[in-house]
Amino acid sequence: EDQVTQSPEALRLQEGESSSLNCSYTVSGLRGLFWYRQDPGKGPEFLFTLYSAGEEKEKERLKATLTKKESFLHITAPKPEDSATYLCAALDSGSARQLTFGSGTQLTVLP
Amino acid sequence: DAGVIQSPRHEVTEMGQEVTLRCKPISGHNSLFWYRQTMMRGLELLIYFNNNVPIDDSGMPEDRFSAKMPNASFSTLKIQPSEPRDSAVYFCASTISGGAPDTQYFGPGTRLTVL
Repeated sequence: EDQVTQSPEALRLQEGESSSLNCSYTVSGLRGLFWYRQDPGKGPEFLFTLYSAGEEKEKERLKATLTKKESFLHITAPKPEDSATYLCAALDSGSARQLTFGSGTQLTVLP
Repeated sequence: DAGVIQSPRHEVTEMGQEVTLRCKPISGHNSLFWYRQTMMRGLELLIYFNNNVPIDDSGMPEDRFSAKMPNASFSTLKIQPSEPRDSAVYFCASTISGGAPDTQYFGPGTRLTVL
């Protein structure tokens, strides 16, 4: 059974304090690893898709990386507006289009 | 370009009542997904459609839940009769199926409260 585990569950940072969020996955064959951001009362907003180990993608203060068993979301010099829940999801090659989501990391960036 | 549209945004109903949630996917997208999100279980896939045809409904919790997609621009999720444990946020997402892994775009959700 596909599994996606995110850590930590919650993270509090001071503005400017860089850190990383972890997403470990167990799937039979990874077709894609997705990162989403979710603000309170809103739907998940797409950030990145990673397809193969070694791949990296960046957007503003965020950089996502992928290994054969994990993905990391690095946040450099975060700002309060980066506060949100970050979700990762894995797409198994044998699962058609069904994403398996992790439970998310709730990030709070304090001014 | 409009994103995924869901209605209503909030629904409060009493146990035993019928509830219908609606979704309009992004124009041109041919796959549509219904999810439920709760604090305890996170995001769970309920059912997904490809080209208006239900492909996998194994996530639908019970026979009380049903979903339809009569055309490419509209889908409904119905709960009849509703129960307090159905209280959750229900999301609809859509994507274009193709060669590369599909990116799903989510709507704003419907917050359902069953009293």
